[in-house]
Amino acid sequence: GQNIDQPTEMTATEGAIVQINCTYQTSGFNGLFWYQQHAGEAPTFLSYNVLDGLEEKGRFSSFLSRSKGYSYLLLKELQMKDSASYLCAVLNYQLIWGAGTKLIIKP
Amino acid sequence: DTAVSQTPKYLVTQMGNDKSIKCEQNLGHDTMYWYKQDSKKFLKIMFSYNNKELIINETVPNRFSPKSPDKAHLNLHINSLELGDSAVYFCASSQPTDQSSYEQYFGPGTRLTVT
Repeated sequence: GQNIDQPTEMTATEGAIVQINCTYQTSGFNGLFWYQQHAGEAPTFLSYNVLDGLEEKGRFSSFLSRSKGYSYLLLKELQMKDSASYLCAVLNYQLIWGAGTKLIIKP
Repeated sequence: DTAVSQTPKYLVTQMGNDKSIKCEQNLGHDTMYWYKQDSKKFLKIMFSYNNKELIINETVPNRFSPKSPDKAHLNLHINSLELGDSAVYFCASSQPTDQSSYEQYFGPGTRLTVT
């Protein structure tokens, strides 16, 4: 079967660092995506990993371990505007989506 | 300029009615998708079209019928609407010439409420 797990909700403080984990079990793997979705809006692309390791893009970084079926999204210097849902998606022959992690930022 | 647009943004209708949602992309992409996002926020793919041809048709009721008049448009027609159809429907497009191009660009969504 196809399964992607993420925590349902996380809370962090403005200016801090937060790590959102994603574990997956899929019949195939051609890459892993992270998307951000603000309430009432469409998902927008954040990152793509296909090889093991860390990809850094400004305040956001994404890590992948294919042998462990594991990825995380690291957000640094949190800002209030980072309050959103973060969706992990695995590319098999199509994108398989996790349910998303709602991140709440407190002042 | 909006890359992926959908109309209408909001749709409130009664059970049993038939309705359509339209989607257009001006990115020149070959592949377009319809997703359903329910109240629990799961994004579930419904259909995928590549160059006007259906390539993915997940298990959805046959009351849902996509139509692609050209590769820039993918419309969704829903017959005999039911309460469980209430959700946000997203259109998306991509140009998967290589794996990283599976990045999908989403429209703003259509919030369908069936009463």
